[in-house]
Amino acid sequence: EVQLVESGGGLVKPGGSLRLSCAASGFTFSSYPMNWVRQAPGKGLEWVSSISSSSSYIYYADSVKGRFTISRDNAKNSLSLQMNSLRGDDTAVYYCARVRNTAMIDIWGQGTMVTVSS
Amino acid sequence: DIQMTQSPSTLSASVGDRLTITCRASQSIGNWLAWHQQKPGKAPKLLIYRASSLESGVPSRFSGSGSGTEFTLTISSLQPDDFATYYCQQYTTYSGTFGPGTKVDIK
Repeated sequence: EVQLVESGGGLVKPGGSLRLSCAASGFTFSSYPMNWVRQAPGKGLEWVSSISSSSSYIYYADSVKGRFTISRDNAKNSLSLQMNSLRGDDTAVYYCARVRNTAMIDIWGQGTMVTVSS
Repeated sequence: DIQMTQSPSTLSASVGDRLTITCRASQSIGNWLAWHQQKPGKAPKLLIYRASSLESGVPSRFSGSGSGTEFTLTISSLQPDDFATYYCQQYTTYSGTFGPGTKVDIK
């Protein structure tokens, strides 16, 4: 079964850091680009970051550029998102997502909640 | 950046109804459009890709059409499991912009 399982969410103070992880299984992880997408409470979906299958290409939304770092370890079938200088508007459920065809998401993880509050 | 809009934002419907949701792109995206369904508290799920191709396992009552800048998602006969929020997503660019969503609730 194709599966993505996120972890690492939690409560953090403004200005703090958090590292999210995503464990992939059931498919050849190294063949697929991956995304992080977030959803603030009661809001829609917002693309956060993308990484190509070999990590050659990395992209960020303007809202997180310079603060977040995406990475992957194909040997361990894992995706990560290092989040620094967190702000209140970073509060959201963060989804790990598999990409098929440029940027089309075909598999979503269950999500992990990040709350930034003092 | 390509902007996506959806209409309506909320749609009240009954079981058995035929309903249509519209998604528009700020510039032509060919047929590089997907539709995702999200139920409360759950992750989204891919329904349709390339504007009209049904993802494996998705019921045939779902269909998509359109190209360029205007697209539609149609549910031919609404079922209780279909009450959810639907998002379109363009994927011509690496950012894969989403529409704001259309919530389908019970009339």
